[in-house]
Amino acid sequence: DAGITQSPRYKITETGRQVTLMCHQTWSHSYMFWYRQDLGHGLRLIYYSAAADITDKGEVPDGYVVSRSKTENFPLTLESATRSQTSVYFCASGTGLAQPQHFGDGTRLSIL
Amino acid sequence: GQQVMQIPQYQHVQEGEDFTTYCNSSTTLSNIQWYKQRPGGHPVFLIQLVKSGEVKKQKRLTFQFGEAKKNSSLHITATQTTDVGTYFCAAINTGGFKTIFGAGTRLFVKA
Repeated sequence: DAGITQSPRYKITETGRQVTLMCHQTWSHSYMFWYRQDLGHGLRLIYYSAAADITDKGEVPDGYVVSRSKTENFPLTLESATRSQTSVYFCASGTGLAQPQHFGDGTRLSIL
Repeated sequence: GQQVMQIPQYQHVQEGEDFTTYCNSSTTLSNIQWYKQRPGGHPVFLIQLVKSGEVKKQKRLTFQFGEAKKNSSLHITATQTTDVGTYFCAAINTGGFKTIFGAGTRLFVKA
């Protein structure tokens, strides 16, 4: 969807490095989400945010940090990347926790 | 904790055959959503079901929410090659505090 953009689309990095994935939405949705998608696991929630400066852990938050200083941006940082964090990462936004979510195109992250 | 099972994991069909995927929750749900993800793409919202026993249709797609609000199904009539992809259910627990995605059913359609 044109209203939510993720960058970069592809990223290769090495273990131990810090990497930040960006997410920007233009709908002014209150809620934003970060998921990782791995074969056999579907979509697993990493972190979500209900509003600027309000974030909360999801199902698999370990090794990740998020911030939300502005409503439209929700960056995800891997402070010290590990191979197990190789995955496809999706950002999503919505008007509420129980409301439909709009997903970005994803970032395919490979950690060597 | 809440668990969401989606079956089957994969389904191969001949074009024109029907297809059904099932989503089962261990707890009573507030509502359920269905998404479709094309190969290489991102999940796209299809529909939301809220009421017990609710049935909704979108062209060849029929969505059902169980009477007990613990299960749901997506049925595609006469599949087409454009239906290929992975179909996910997203179960929202009572109170709307948590959404859990099923692992998805990947549909392959042979022309």
